[in-house]
Amino acid sequence: GNSVTQMEGPVTLSEEAFLTINCTYTATGYPSLFWYVQYPGEGLQLLLKATKADDKGSNKGFEATYRKETTSFHLEKGSVQVSDSAVYFCALLNYGGSQGNLIFGKGTKLSVKP
Amino acid sequence: GAVVSQHPSWVICKSGTSVKIECRSLDFQATTMFWYRQFPKQSLMLMATSNEGSKATYEQGVEKDKFLINHASLTLSTLTVTSAHPEDSSFYICSAFYIAGAPLGETQYFGPGTRLLVL
Repeated sequence: GNSVTQMEGPVTLSEEAFLTINCTYTATGYPSLFWYVQYPGEGLQLLLKATKADDKGSNKGFEATYRKETTSFHLEKGSVQVSDSAVYFCALLNYGGSQGNLIFGKGTKLSVKP
Repeated sequence: GAVVSQHPSWVICKSGTSVKIECRSLDFQATTMFWYRQFPKQSLMLMATSNEGSKATYEQGVEKDKFLINHASLTLSTLTVTSAHPEDSSFYICSAFYIAGAPLGETQYFGPGTRLLVL
């Protein structure tokens, strides 16, 4: 079946530190991969996505590369800010199922200290 | 743009009562909305797909008679938890499908969630 595994948090970093949040997946076929972010008190927001192998999704300084050989989609940012403090969810969508059948990881809480 | 709201944000009710949760797309029309459920420290689980003007499609293991979904307009979907019990206590999240500009393209926009506590 389809599943997503992401590193457990919480992750605590100092401002301007380098961020990596690991995400690996299990899926049949060729899924699309996503990173969502949930800021305190708000709904999930799509941060970036990649639809095929070797694609790099990027947005707001974050990036992730779809690695089929390692079934990974690790999230990275070169220099985090306090405003990046949030919960980050890795997800996959395997076409062939319903449009909404996003499979989510458990989420990783990031806290950035000034 | 592409804001999705939910109401109420939290609700406490007695066992046996019914609770209705609203999901609205505020600045766009959504023919398809989705309802998810999230347990503490767990990932979101899709419950059902709500289609405007037709019956919802439920995921395996979700009781459609217990979780009634109505999508009567292009901007509103409702989830009613009927005869709620303590095990229904959870965080319910809706989303709406929207086609945004680059680089995101087709995506789901999520509401802030509704926390339900059944006593």
